[in-house]
Amino acid sequence: DVVMTQSPLYLPVTLGQPASISCRSSQGLVYGDGNTYLNWFHQRPGQSPRRLIYKISYRDSGVPDRFSGSGSGTDFTLRISGVEAEDVGVYYCMQGTHWPFTFGPGTRVDIK
Amino acid sequence: EVQLVESGGALVQPGESLRLSCAASGFNFGKYWMSWGRQVPGKGLEWVANIKEDGSDYYYLDSVKGRFTISRDNNRHLLFLQMNNLRPEDTAIYYCARRKNFDSWGQGTLVSVSS
Repeated sequence: DVVMTQSPLYLPVTLGQPASISCRSSQGLVYGDGNTYLNWFHQRPGQSPRRLIYKISYRDSGVPDRFSGSGSGTDFTLRISGVEAEDVGVYYCMQGTHWPFTFGPGTRVDIK
Repeated sequence: EVQLVESGGALVQPGESLRLSCAASGFNFGKYWMSWGRQVPGKGLEWVANIKEDGSDYYYLDSVKGRFTISRDNNRHLLFLQMNNLRPEDTAIYYCARRKNFDSWGQGTLVSVSS
């Protein structure tokens, strides 16, 4: 199975400051169709997860442009250009290339 | 607007069965892969199963293979997860999601397995 790791696991941030979360996969995530199915999700306390980013860098509809994704191969990054109060919660990366699909352990983001 | 509403969660004893349902609306259900995921309260997310648009292909997490069955009724816009021989480690919130890569999620239904 593909193991997804994230760092840091806890990220205290100052409002308005940038934040970055790293995700690494134990093997490459390029699918046979040439796409890399690496997704990022955000889960606020008491809510269901919401997908933010798919295929490394494509933002889902309604996702603010302060969120961006990048990376290739086995190393991926989610960036928030300026953290807002509503961005607190847990962020997960997930690979949807190799069955079984797997999630990272999550990164908790809190406001300092 | 995409809506996914799960139901069927309950408290059951080990070895018992449960059938979860997910009612979908706001999109052409029969044109999408569908998925189930789960989350132990307070813990991380886990993929459980996917099913192809027409139900002809499906994939399962190893730990549920042979015990769980994913199915769908495209006429009624319903997704199902039949869970047999439940174990305490299956205790979780179960989420229905659209697509293999979970682009929309339901609110979840809680399954508790305990004696």
